[in-house]
Amino acid sequence: GAGVSQSPSNKVTEKGKDVELRCDPISGHTALYWYRQSLGQGLEFLIYFQGNSAPDKSGLPSDRFSAERTGGSVSTLTIQRTQQEDSAVYLCASSADLYIQYFGAGTRLSVL
Amino acid sequence: SQELEQSPQSLIVQEGKNLTINCTSSKTLYGLYWYKQKYGEGLIFLMMLQKGGEEKSHEKITAKLDEKKQQSSLHITASQPSHAGIYLCGADRNTDKLIFGTGTRLQVFP
Repeated sequence: GAGVSQSPSNKVTEKGKDVELRCDPISGHTALYWYRQSLGQGLEFLIYFQGNSAPDKSGLPSDRFSAERTGGSVSTLTIQRTQQEDSAVYLCASSADLYIQYFGAGTRLSVL
Repeated sequence: SQELEQSPQSLIVQEGKNLTINCTSSKTLYGLYWYKQKYGEGLIFLMMLQKGGEEKSHEKITAKLDEKKQQSSLHITASQPSHAGIYLCGADRNTDKLIFGTGTRLQVFP
């Protein structure tokens, strides 16, 4: 389909390893968001890209987290030296009008 | 079709009026989340409901989950312009991944 695609759908890693999560937004959507959801909690905003503007990184929990968006399309969320508290579902969303966000299915990250 | 149906899709009310937004699922939900989104911003978590019949309030916003855990309502009392935005319900089907409704766009005019 033409929705937001995230990969991998599941990722199991060892504590201390780096991981990369990928998001393919809906074609033509200028806005892209990353969220995470820990077990039993609501969504936590991480980072927001809008066109060529500097990203809003206000939600990143630590400097181990970073994200890039290449060519205004695909985005990669990188977590360095993963910790157990990083275990969560990471959701990506894209938007054309900055109101309605279309979410991907998420990547479930488990840090052992 | 959406797994979570929200209604209405759009709502325009006068300041001071009460309003209700509904979120309905055909399947039992393990958790129901309400979010608010303002223009250009990320989602803001409002409330989470998990138990049938549960009701939570925060300031002038009250959310309820029915006994069957298939329908939730969000009620705003004495609406203010600051309440304007998109209200989104999200549901947990015990898969650790949320599904979301289509959203309700609320406008409040003086």
